[in-house]
Amino acid sequence: EVVLSQSPTTTAASPGEKVTITCLASSSVSHMFWYQQESGASPKLLIYSTSTLASGVPDRFSGSGSGTSYSLTINTMEAEDAATYYCQQWSSNPWTFGGGTKLEL
Amino acid sequence: EVQLVESGGGLVQPGTSLKLSCVASGFTFSDYWMSWVRQTPGKTMEWIGDIKYDGSYTHYAPSLKNRFTISRDNAKSTLYLQMSNVRSEDTATYYCARSGGSSGFAYWGQGTLVTVSS
Repeated sequence: EVVLSQSPTTTAASPGEKVTITCLASSSVSHMFWYQQESGASPKLLIYSTSTLASGVPDRFSGSGSGTSYSLTINTMEAEDAATYYCQQWSSNPWTFGGGTKLEL
Repeated sequence: EVQLVESGGGLVQPGTSLKLSCVASGFTFSDYWMSWVRQTPGKTMEWIGDIKYDGSYTHYAPSLKNRFTISRDNAKSTLYLQMSNVRSEDTATYYCARSGGSSGFAYWGQGTLVTVSS
């Protein structure tokens, strides 16, 4: 199965700062998906097909990458972005998730 | 508005069975693949399996396929997860999600907690 390794595991940012989260795949995948999970809530789709923002997601979020290396960027951190972020692949069965990155304010 | 509402979780003893349900609303249930995903107390996310929109095909994580069964009743807009011979490592919050390969797990329920303990 494809193992997804996220880094960092935990990070903190101040309002206005740029944040980048990386997801490395153990073998090449065609696209990456990103989810945001706020404390006590269900996961929410943030980005699909590597770089397409889900409905209602602010454009300070962006996704990029290819092959085995993908990233999620928050251009300017806001307080409401404090959450845990997960990458997920849909290229190779079984579908797998990264271990998560906790972003603190 | 898309809504997914899971139920059926609780405290169960090892070796027993449990059936979870997920009632969908706000979209045409029979048009979509549906999935189950679980999250352990340590926050690890694990895809369990999915089912085709008409129920004709199911697809499971290899580690779970012998104990978990996914089914659906399109007339009731309901998705099911039958869990058998549960183990302590099955303790998790179980989510149903509307799925579709190119669009990811687009919508999630609120989750139902299953605790396996004697």
